[in-house]
Amino acid sequence: AQKVTQAQTEISVVEKEDVTLDCVYETRDTTYYLFWYKQPPSGELVFLIRRNSFDEQNEISGRYSWNFQKSTSSFNFTITASQVVDSAVYFCALRTFFGNEKLTFGTGTRLTIIP
Amino acid sequence: DTEVTQTPKHLVMGMTNKKSLKCEQHMGHRAMYWYKQKAKKPPELMFVYSYEKLSINESVPSRFSPECPNSSLLNLHLHALQPEDSALYLCASSQSLSRDTEAFFGQGTRLTVV
Repeated sequence: AQKVTQAQTEISVVEKEDVTLDCVYETRDTTYYLFWYKQPPSGELVFLIRRNSFDEQNEISGRYSWNFQKSTSSFNFTITASQVVDSAVYFCALRTFFGNEKLTFGTGTRLTIIP
Repeated sequence: DTEVTQTPKHLVMGMTNKKSLKCEQHMGHRAMYWYKQKAKKPPELMFVYSYEKLSINESVPSRFSPECPNSSLLNLHLHALQPEDSALYLCASSQSLSRDTEAFFGQGTRLTVV
């Protein structure tokens, strides 16, 4: 069985602050794929990143960065210098190589950036 | 162009109505998905199509009937729905069912059953 836990239900920060969204996953498979999606109020899930289990390199994309640590089964997401447009619900998700096509989503973290 | 288009954006229907949700993608993707999302919950997979054939049905009630007329289109036919079926219905597509491919989602149809 696989599971994704996003313990932070809601986070509010003042604009320009940095914020980290936590994601902890559980799987017995050694090959798996982790994803982050953003869901703004419009409803669409916007793909942000995919990370393979055999690639532990951290990634930076503009103000976004991701820290993948297999030792703690975590795939955390940091937004630097947050902006109001970052306000959304963020989902972490897991898919395993030997599992079916199903994405296992976490329960999401609602991020509010206060102007 | 990473766009999945869903119509309509909003739909209100009675419990005796028949309606259809439509989804279109022109990215050449061969896998398409329907998800249901209740408020403050993550999306839940309903159906998966691969190369226009139904690959997964997550035990969805028969009042939801998917159809994939061609590789670019995915429909969800609705009949005799219940108020608890009110939700955001999301369509998604991916290059294939390969585990390392990401899915791209549409904006969804907000369905209200009255």
